[in-house]
Amino acid sequence: EAQVTQNPRYLITVTGKKLTVTCSQNMNHEYMSWYRQDPGLGLRQIYYSMNVEVTDKGDVPEGYKVSRKEKRNFPLILESPSPNQTSLYFCASSFLSSGGYEQYFGPGTRLTVT
Amino acid sequence: SQKIEQNSEALNIQEGKTATLTCNYTNYSPAYLQWYRQDPGRGPVFLLLIRENEKEKRKERLKVTFDTTLKQSLFHITASQPADSATYLCALSRAGYSSASKIIFGSGTRLSIRP
Repeated sequence: EAQVTQNPRYLITVTGKKLTVTCSQNMNHEYMSWYRQDPGLGLRQIYYSMNVEVTDKGDVPEGYKVSRKEKRNFPLILESPSPNQTSLYFCASSFLSSGGYEQYFGPGTRLTVT
Repeated sequence: SQKIEQNSEALNIQEGKTATLTCNYTNYSPAYLQWYRQDPGRGPVFLLLIRENEKEKRKERLKVTFDTTLKQSLFHITASQPADSATYLCALSRAGYSSASKIIFGSGTRLSIRP
């Protein structure tokens, strides 16, 4: 089954404790992206990757890191989480296109930072 | 700064009627506009993509229009059903591999179809 998986689905952590949210897709997509979703603000793009070892900042990259060492995986790293990073996070993937993306989204990771 | 607005936070209509959702944008010149559906607690699901040189696109009961002069897209669901109740998101991007990769979303309209 074609899918994007994220782990963990739920995470409660404390300020400053490094964490990684994993994202994996089995569709051989070149493009992957991370978003956060907050009430009233919609989905905001954090980072995206157009292929292995190619990553770039979205609209809200501060406080986040990513890496793309393999095509299927795109982990999101919070080196020193803070309460303002409490949010619902989505990973998405798509075939690379110059003409708009049909993105497949993961199920989401709900992160709470206390 | 660039801004996307979806007409209202919530829209309630009677089953069988046509639901019309609006996506307006400012300070932006998108080449592509997408619509997604999101159910509570789940990730968005892609519905339709329309290009700037396309005025209208249809898929089953869904219709999308894209007016670059008005800077607006309309999303229609005809013969609406309670199962269409969800939040609908619009998303914009520009042309080119790099520009198309940077995608901005509206905050969504929560649609409720009452029987």
